[in-house]
Amino acid sequence: QKEVEQDPGPLSVPEGAIVSLNCTYSNSAFQYFMWYRQYSRKGPELLMYTYSSGNKEDGRFTAQVDKSSKYISLFIRDSQPSDSATYLCAFAGGTSYGKLTFGQGTILTVHP
Amino acid sequence: GAGVSQSPSNKVTEKGKDVELRCDPISGHTALYWYRQSLGQGLEFLIYFQGNSAPDKSGLPSDRFSAERTGGSVSTLTIQRTQQEDSAVYLCASSLGAQPIYEQYFGPGTRLTVT
Repeated sequence: QKEVEQDPGPLSVPEGAIVSLNCTYSNSAFQYFMWYRQYSRKGPELLMYTYSSGNKEDGRFTAQVDKSSKYISLFIRDSQPSDSATYLCAFAGGTSYGKLTFGQGTILTVHP
Repeated sequence: GAGVSQSPSNKVTEKGKDVELRCDPISGHTALYWYRQSLGQGLEFLIYFQGNSAPDKSGLPSDRFSAERTGGSVSTLTIQRTQQEDSAVYLCASSLGAQPIYEQYFGPGTRLTVT
């Protein structure tokens, strides 16, 4: 079983839609939960970061963590064409310390 | 300020040749990471350096892979006797420290193609 499962998509939505991206994980030692966004031919950039269960909001983005179910989500409200990118969930903690364990990434396209 | 830079941006090499990939981290960042991103495997950790501590090499896929970090700054990832399965994008990241609370800043990557 992979430590992290993420549906690779691709996901295509119209502008203004609400997007839901999800990851499940199996390593109970993971204590830090992140979402990275990666544009084509660029390195990933940190979008959201949290270390507790619950919701964290930043503008149009909401990160949700459910440690009991080992499930994290990223919601994008009022999606824009500029949100078209690959979204990667990432985890850290326990013996892995600072090194990140990533999901496969979900390719998102928001069309006008 | 300047971000993480990597060179070359693209590298095409023949199977069996050695390659060196370079990473210039953000000034003042003590932690430096190498990751590999390929279609089948996603983004996977290779090695990280933190200050003067021994590097964590637990992600290196074989002994053909090695890395060094000189003077606590620039790092070089070396792949000897390259194989076609080494074709991937090699990403470098740096952060203020190795703890997960510090954001990792990624470079644009080196796209390696082994023919």
